[in-house]
Amino acid sequence: DAGVIQSPRHEVTEMGQEVTLRCKPISGHNSLFWYRQTMMRGLELLIYFNNNVPIDDSGMPEDRFSAKMPNASFSTLKIQPSEPRDSAVYFCASSLIGPGETQYFGPGTRLLVL
Amino acid sequence: EDKVVQSPLSLVVHEGDTVTLNCSYEVTNFRSLLWYKQEKKAPTFLFMLTSSGIEKKSGRLSSILDKKELFSILNITATQTGDSAIYLCAVENSGGSYIPTFGRGTSLIVHP
Repeated sequence: DAGVIQSPRHEVTEMGQEVTLRCKPISGHNSLFWYRQTMMRGLELLIYFNNNVPIDDSGMPEDRFSAKMPNASFSTLKIQPSEPRDSAVYFCASSLIGPGETQYFGPGTRLLVL
Repeated sequence: EDKVVQSPLSLVVHEGDTVTLNCSYEVTNFRSLLWYKQEKKAPTFLFMLTSSGIEKKSGRLSSILDKKELFSILNITATQTGDSAIYLCAVENSGGSYIPTFGRGTSLIVHP
């Protein structure tokens, strides 16, 4: 199994540009999570999908952030327009919901907004 | 709101030392506590704890949960430089969403 796949691994962009981060969860997992990690705030949950449906997006910072999961094998996190304070590492994780199951994290996308 | 506090924030030790990392939590309807190790990239799963007083062990790492006092500890004995990482603690509530709340982590540096 290839694990959770994220792309790109690194992105440097200018303020105001649109950023799209991509995630392919582990095959068979029914839940997908987007996290943001910074030195100041640690690991924060942004949004959680179950069976492709957004369940909890209370962690999404503001309207500039949006996430979609059009099918069980693909999700995107979009920031439009991007701002320097969005600079962080964005992780995608997937899991099979149930007792004893845990999340598996992707390698992350390191985003720098200038 | 669920809350996880880890201490210390950072720790620097020498190889061979034993370290204890702390995690205290407040959560409505506790389901499980998770420990992760994060090196340069993504967090990797270490332990899931659901019952008080039962030690989970993996090599030199062990962890135990106290549901009465609402904390967990992660012990690493005979530390090695490869143990250098950020150790994250997270708790899940049993409200049905299985969404973990993460602490800020403890940064461990092991010097040779």
